[in-house]
Amino acid sequence: GAVVSQHPSWVICKSGTSVKIECRSLDFQATTMFWYRQFPKQSLMLMATSNEGSKATYEQGVEKDKFLINHASLTLSTLTVTSAHPEDSSFYICSVRDPSGGYFGPGTRLTVT
Amino acid sequence: AQSVTQLGSHVSVSEGALVLLRCNYSSSVPPYLFWYVQYPNQGLQLLLKYTSAATLVKGINGFEAEFKKSETSFHLTKPSAHMSDAAEYFCAVSDQPGSGNTGKLIFGQGTTLQVKP
Repeated sequence: GAVVSQHPSWVICKSGTSVKIECRSLDFQATTMFWYRQFPKQSLMLMATSNEGSKATYEQGVEKDKFLINHASLTLSTLTVTSAHPEDSSFYICSVRDPSGGYFGPGTRLTVT
Repeated sequence: AQSVTQLGSHVSVSEGALVLLRCNYSSSVPPYLFWYVQYPNQGLQLLLKYTSAATLVKGINGFEAEFKKSETSFHLTKPSAHMSDAAEYFCAVSDQPGSGNTGKLIFGQGTTLQVKP
């Protein structure tokens, strides 16, 4: 299956600042990538579908102006959390879907102080 | 719309005992079904998947699952639990990627498996 990396693995930022998370598909050209958020002891909630060369598709209730997604190439998608607040603290995981299934990055732990 | 329900947020078994984690799905189209395992502070690892071929699917680490359309179920089993199986398990459903479908995965609530010595 596809190999997916994320950077950084963890980040601490101050309230009001912006944070960028990178998701790379290392061995698969992904026209579509997915961003999930996972709060402690909870399941993964799909935030958005990232489409290479076009706008992302956001799930209901996810603020597109707050969570900016850019999918500029077939191997890289970025998620920028703008004006972060403590309630944005979470585990963010990206995913690539190839014909055999969904493969996930190791996740990025965001803590907003 | 697709959805997944995992019955039992917490399952506890003794080492060597049968593991049974339940998953029921809802889908208006033929589903693809997955089981993932997650260890603390890590991403998800694919255990096994059903993609409309054999209904009994064997995965890694001795796990298997059976797709039962009549029951809309895809329960995960392992004959003998090992201490290293203690983790969070997620069942997920998707449509078939392609033909306008993204193949996005929708997850169940998760089941914490505890293995007692």
